[in-house]
Amino acid sequence: EVQLVESGGGLVQPGRSLRLSCAASGFTFDDYAMHWVRQGPGKGLEWVSGISWSGGSIGYADSVKGRFTISRDNAKNSLYLQMNSLRAEDTALYYCAKDVNTAMDAFDFWGQGTMVTVSS
Amino acid sequence: QSALTQPASVSGSPGQSITISCTGTSSDVGNYDLVSWYQQHPGKVPKLMIYEVSKRPSGVSNRFSGSKSGNTASLTISGLQAEDEAHYYCCSYAGSSTGVFGGGTKLTVL
Repeated sequence: EVQLVESGGGLVQPGRSLRLSCAASGFTFDDYAMHWVRQGPGKGLEWVSGISWSGGSIGYADSVKGRFTISRDNAKNSLYLQMNSLRAEDTALYYCAKDVNTAMDAFDFWGQGTMVTVSS
Repeated sequence: QSALTQPASVSGSPGQSITISCTGTSSDVGNYDLVSWYQQHPGKVPKLMIYEVSKRPSGVSNRFSGSKSGNTASLTISGLQAEDEAHYYCCSYAGSSTGVFGGGTKLTVL
């Protein structure tokens, strides 16, 4: 059974940093691309960042480019999102999502999400 | 990376068919056959319903189908059922390892 478990969310002041983690199990982690997708309170889904199976291809939404860094450790079956210079508009539930392919395609399994609240 | 355009809401009666549109540009929807659709019930995790424009994951009802013409993708739900009432989101590959979602459509089953 595929499982994705996010952690690392919480309340943080504007301008500070946070690191999200996603522990994956139940599938061959290094066979698939992985993504972070967020959903603000009462809002729609927003793709944040994605990383190919090897880490060789990485993409970011314009809204986070230069502030967020995605990475993966295939030996630990883990995905990460380093979030710097956080803003109020980054407040959202952050989902870790597995791709159906080795590079960006579609997201077939999702974690339950970890909440990030940016507020002073 | 502008969000794809979806109608805010659609509605239909049980047994009817509805179609949700998703309009992008020649840089995303029009340039790649990598459009996917997600169903999200309130308080729940999104569920993949269609990928690569028209493919259904295992376990998804064949009442759900997808298509694309030019810069617009569509999700059609036939034989509408009460449990189909949810938010639906489209997503497309947008080049350079990036993706973009639509704003979402609330489906109401009357």
